[in-house]
Formats: sequence, structure tokens, C-alpha cells
Amino acid sequence: AQSVTQLDSQVPVFEEAPVELRCNYSSSVSVYLFWYVQYPNQGLQLLLKYLSGSTLVKGINGFEAEFNKSQTSFHLRKPSVHISDTAEYFCAVSLSGGSYIPTFGRGTSLIVHP
Amino acid sequence: EAQVTQNPRYLITVTGKKLTVTCSQNMNHEYMSWYRQDPGLGLRQIYYSMNVEVTDKGDVPEGYKVSRKEKRNFPLILESPSPNQTSLYFCASSLSVYRGLNTEAFFGQGTRLTVV
Repeated sequence: AQSVTQLDSQVPVFEEAPVELRCNYSSSVSVYLFWYVQYPNQGLQLLLKYLSGSTLVKGINGFEAEFNKSQTSFHLRKPSVHISDTAEYFCAVSLSGGSYIPTFGRGTSLIVHP
Repeated sequence: EAQVTQNPRYLITVTGKKLTVTCSQNMNHEYMSWYRQDPGLGLRQIYYSMNVEVTDKGDVPEGYKVSRKEKRNFPLILESPSPNQTSLYFCASSLSVYRGLNTEAFFGQGTRLTVV
């Protein structure tokens, strides 16, 4: 079975500063990786995903993530955050072979201060 | 518009009174799932369904039931709700669960349930 660890429960940052939200996974087989964002009082929406190919994945709203197989990581980055990026961010993993049943991390709350 | 619709958005009920939270998707997705979200615990899967008439337990199925009689609907049933089921619930769907097909999950807006 796969598992996901989001190392930080909360990340405070000032507006226009860079940010990195960390995600590590464990799996004995190949995986698909996802980042979802949840704005206040809303459902989750997909930010970006890694299925195969280039390890650097670009998503919506200026976010990107890099798949590092040797470190089993899929950290999310943004070079300059805005107040509107304040939200809960979830990393998710699923096995790439056979059926897809996603496992979610516990979430990281990104708080952007003016 | 492609979407997953949950109803109701907010619900307050009393212990032991049966309730159903509905979930419907209009994308012809095979895979549907229910999650509960609690502070510090992230999203935990309650039940999922790979296709019509196929359902299976997730990580926290106790106290819940589901059914999948039609492809578009996947209701969550609490036969006898208890206060520890107070939570934020999400329904999600995706095209399929098999390799090679789009694996992105689409989420409903959530149902905030309070059991007193």
C-alpha cells in the first residue's frame, strides 16, 4: 500500500515571497502524484499532476512541482505567492499499475500574510 | 458544466436519526468515492465504487453505508448517526480507476454535518 506524508501542517509566508510545500510518499511500485488545493468553504480542485515524462510539472496559478524518485518526494513550489493563495493544499498518490485509488496526505495550510 | 453535486451543503441532526447525503456526477465517471475531512487528519476514504453495483470499504467505513444503483449517483447513508460522525464530507468521482485513463478526481463542494 502507498502512503503520503506532508511534513508541514502549516506554512506561514509573506506576500511575494517564495514558498515550498513538502510531500514525501512511500510505495514499492511506480506511482502517480497529485497536488490539490482547497480554498475556504470549497471542495478540492486539481493543481497539477505527475503521471509520467518530465519530472518538473507546471500547474495552475503559477505553481509547479518536481518529482524526485530517488528521494520519493513531490514538493510543490511557487516563486512569489499572493494573498489569494491562502488555502489548504493536499498531496495525493496512487499506484500507476492497475487500479487507481488515491491516498491523500493530511494537508498543509498555506497562510499568506500581507 | 461538468460537476459533482452534493446535497445538502449543511446539515444538523440528532443522534440516531437516519440521514442520507446525496452525490451526483454528470461526467459519466465510473469511479466514485466518499471522504471525510477532519482537522489534522486530512481526507480519509469512507467507501468507494469502481462501477455500478460495485462498492468497497475505504479506511473508515464504520457507521456508513453506500449504494451505487446508477452510474451517476452515489449516496452516503448514516443509519444511526453519532456525534463522532460530525465532519466535513466530500464526494469525488473520476473517469476510471484503470491505468491509461484520466485519473484526476473531481470533488463536490462538501457537506458539513453536525450530529448533536
